[in-house]
Amino acid sequence: KAGVTQTPRYLIKTRGQQVTLSCSPISGHRSVSWYQQTPGQGLQFLFEYFSETQRNKGNFPGRFSGRQFSNSRSEMNVSTLELGDSALYLCASSPNGRPEAFFGQGTRLTVV
Amino acid sequence: KNEVEQSPQNLTAQEGEFITINCSYSVGISALHWLQQHPGGGIVSLFMLSSGKKKHGRLIATINIQEKHSSLHITASHPRDSAVYICAVSKGSEKLVFGKGTKLTVNP
Repeated sequence: KAGVTQTPRYLIKTRGQQVTLSCSPISGHRSVSWYQQTPGQGLQFLFEYFSETQRNKGNFPGRFSGRQFSNSRSEMNVSTLELGDSALYLCASSPNGRPEAFFGQGTRLTVV
Repeated sequence: KNEVEQSPQNLTAQEGEFITINCSYSVGISALHWLQQHPGGGIVSLFMLSSGKKKHGRLIATINIQEKHSSLHITASHPRDSAVYICAVSKGSEKLVFGKGTKLTVNP
């Protein structure tokens, strides 16, 4: 079974631009969660999608958004990028109703 | 106060030593996770516990629900165990709350 796949692995963007990150969960998993990791704040929850619906949302500004498609693949979008958005963005997929989490390799975003 | 506290923050050991990393949490949980992160970013789930003890190779994880405490032990540590170990808890949904991590360095 393929693991959680995140693309791209690395990304460099300029302040003010927008970016879209992609996450393909493990086959059969319908829950996808997104996390931001920075040296100062550690790992923080962004949002969780289940069956194309946002089920939970963390404490991030509206510039951070996401969606999930019918095949459970998820995208997150950050608009009007700021230097502080530079981080490792991780997604995790979970089997329905179970607290297990399987992480992708992450996308490292650098905003210059 | 963070909901999940880990100690120590940094740990340096010699190859072969027995290592313990501790995690305390202050909320009701459905499960506790131990995660490993190597330089480069990818996170690997080592254990998910809701009670008792689990063992996988040289790694042992224990949890005491009454005391809201978990430990991760590494026996016969090896330089390849050098990584950041992160404790995280699930609170009834798929959202995880993370500790700050313990950076382990094992010297040959």
